[in-house]
Formats: sequence, structure tokens, C-alpha cells
Amino acid sequence: AQSVAQPEDQVNVAEGNPLTVKCTYSVSGNPYLFWYVQYPNRGLQFLLKYITGDNLVKGSYGFEAEFNKSQTSFHLKKPSALVSDSALYFCAVRDFNTDKLIFGTGTRLQVFP
Amino acid sequence: DTEVTQTPKHLVMGMTNKKSLKCEQHMGHRAMYWYKQKAKKPPELMFVYSYEKLSINESVPSRFSPECPNSSLLNLHLHALQPEDSALYLCASSLQDRAYEQFFGPGTRLTVL
Repeated sequence: AQSVAQPEDQVNVAEGNPLTVKCTYSVSGNPYLFWYVQYPNRGLQFLLKYITGDNLVKGSYGFEAEFNKSQTSFHLKKPSALVSDSALYFCAVRDFNTDKLIFGTGTRLQVFP
Repeated sequence: DTEVTQTPKHLVMGMTNKKSLKCEQHMGHRAMYWYKQKAKKPPELMFVYSYEKLSINESVPSRFSPECPNSSLLNLHLHALQPEDSALYLCASSLQDRAYEQFFGPGTRLTVL
């Protein structure tokens, strides 16, 4: 079965510093991977996806993610964090057998001024 | 138009009430989804409609009844809910291809008294 893991419940970073939110995956075959962000009392917003091609994927709001097949990881990154980036981040993988989107448990990002 | 809209934003209902949640998109998407999300948890898939036909029901209790009147609209009819059904209900849509991301609405915050 396809799955993703987000090993950190919370990530704290100072404004202006680089940030990384970790995600590892377990799939059979080539993965379709996604990152979403959720602000309080809001729906999920799509940030970026990896389907095929370049391992470095650029997305919305200055975020990028690096697909690493050997480490089965798809970490979300941003060179310089903003306080407004504070939110809940979900990694997800498409399950080819069921066509469902399988979410990780989420990582709360807190950016301090 | 690149958004999914949901009404109402908030709903409070008693256990004997009947109410409906509405979702609408005008992006030409042929797959539409209902998710339930508890606080600080990932969304849980409830139903999937594909080309206006119910394709996935994640063993959801019959007190939740989905309906897809046309390709742009998705309803969730609620009857005899329990307090534990209180949650954020999210609607999403996507192109009919697993490589494509799901677009989420802002959600309906449901409270069952």
C-alpha cells in the first residue's frame, strides 16, 4: 500500500532562516507526490507536485521540494521563512490502486519573528 | 474561475435535524470529493464522484448521503448526526487524471449538539 510519513509534528524556525519540512514515501512504482498547506480554519491549498522530470520542483509562495528516489523522500523547502508561512503542511501520495490521495499526518510549521 | 466554493461556512445542528452542505466548482473538473477533517489531523476521504457517479464510498455511515446533481455541484445531506460527527467538511475537485492535484474548498465547520 502507498503511504507517506511526516516524522515531525512541529518545526520551528526563525524568520529569514531556511526551512525544511520532511516527508518520506513508500510506494510500489513511480510516485505521484503532492504538498498542501492549510491555514487555520481554512481548506487545503496546493503548493506543488512531483510527477516526473526534474527532481527539484518549484511551487507557490517560494516553496520548492526535492524528490530523492534513493532516500524515498520529498522534503519541502524554502530559502527564507516568513512569519506568514506558519501553518499546517501535508504531504500526500496518489494511491494507484484506489486512485485516492493518501495524506501524511501533517507538520505544523511555526515561524518566529 | 479556479476555486471551489462551499456553503455554509458554519453549521450548527441538533441530532434530529436534516441539513445539507453544498459544494460548487466551475473548472470543468469531473472528479469531486468529500472529506472529513478533525482538528490537527489529515483529511479523511468520505466519497468520490467520477463523472457524476459515485465511485468510492469509504464505508461512511448512512446518516451521510452524497448527491451529485451535475458536474459542477456536489451536496452532502446530513440526517440524525452524532456529536462525534462535528468536524470540518471539505469538498475538493480535480481533473479526471491521477497526475492532477485536487483543489479544495474552504470547508464547512459543522457542530452537532
